Amino acid sequence: EVVLTQSPGTLSLSPGEGATLSCRASQSVSDSYLAWYRQKPGQAPRLLIYGASTRATGIPDRFSGWGTGTDFTLTISRLEPEDFAVYYCQQYGSSPLTFGGGTKVEVK
Amino acid sequence: QVQLQESGPGLVKPSETLSLTCGVSGYSMTDGYYWGWIRQPPGKGPEWIGSVYHNGNTYYNPSLKGRVMISVDTSKNQFSLRLSSVTAADTAVYYCARHPHNEIRGVVKIYWFDPWGQGTLVTVSS
Repeated sequence: EVVLTQSPGTLSLSPGEGATLSCRASQSVSDSYLAWYRQKPGQAPRLLIYGASTRATGIPDRFSGWGTGTDFTLTISRLEPEDFAVYYCQQYGSSPLTFGGGTKVEVK
Repeated sequence: QVQLQESGPGLVKPSETLSLTCGVSGYSMTDGYYWGWIRQPPGKGPEWIGSVYHNGNTYYNPSLKGRVMISVDTSKNQFSLRLSSVTAADTAVYYCARHPHNEIRGVVKIYWFDPWGQGTLVTVSS
């Protein structure tokens, strides 16, 4: 199975700053079949990005994703209060579908 | 808009079977999409359990070693999860979700999850 490793484990930033989150796959993710989710405390994950770079419906343009092969990145240009949460990547290029361990973005 | 709601016991004894149901509203399951179960142990990342189509076609995560069964009841617009021989390692928040798919040269590819239900905590303990 494809193992996804997210880094850093925790990112300490201030509102208004930019964030860069990494997701590295143990083998190439076919067709850039990678999604990103944001999970606020006590809530279910919410889809942000699919196809490595396509924003889901209703997701603001401060979120952007890119990458191919084994290296993928989620960038948040200006952190809003609701963006302090845990972020997960998920690959769907091969079965079983797998998720990364998450990156927590916390208030500095 | 589509909404999903998990229901079932919050406490299951070791070696018994965990049973959950996901009710779907605002969308007919027969109109397409796969429907999946995902779980998330406390403090960890999510784990895909398996997915079902309205015709009963299923895909499972091999890590669950044949303990899982997912079924669909289109008359009630809901789908269900059964996980047998549970242990403490099965303690988690269980989510249901909808996900798109595509069929390429006869091979079904299931994709991302959107939306998700709110989740339900299932604890395995005697």
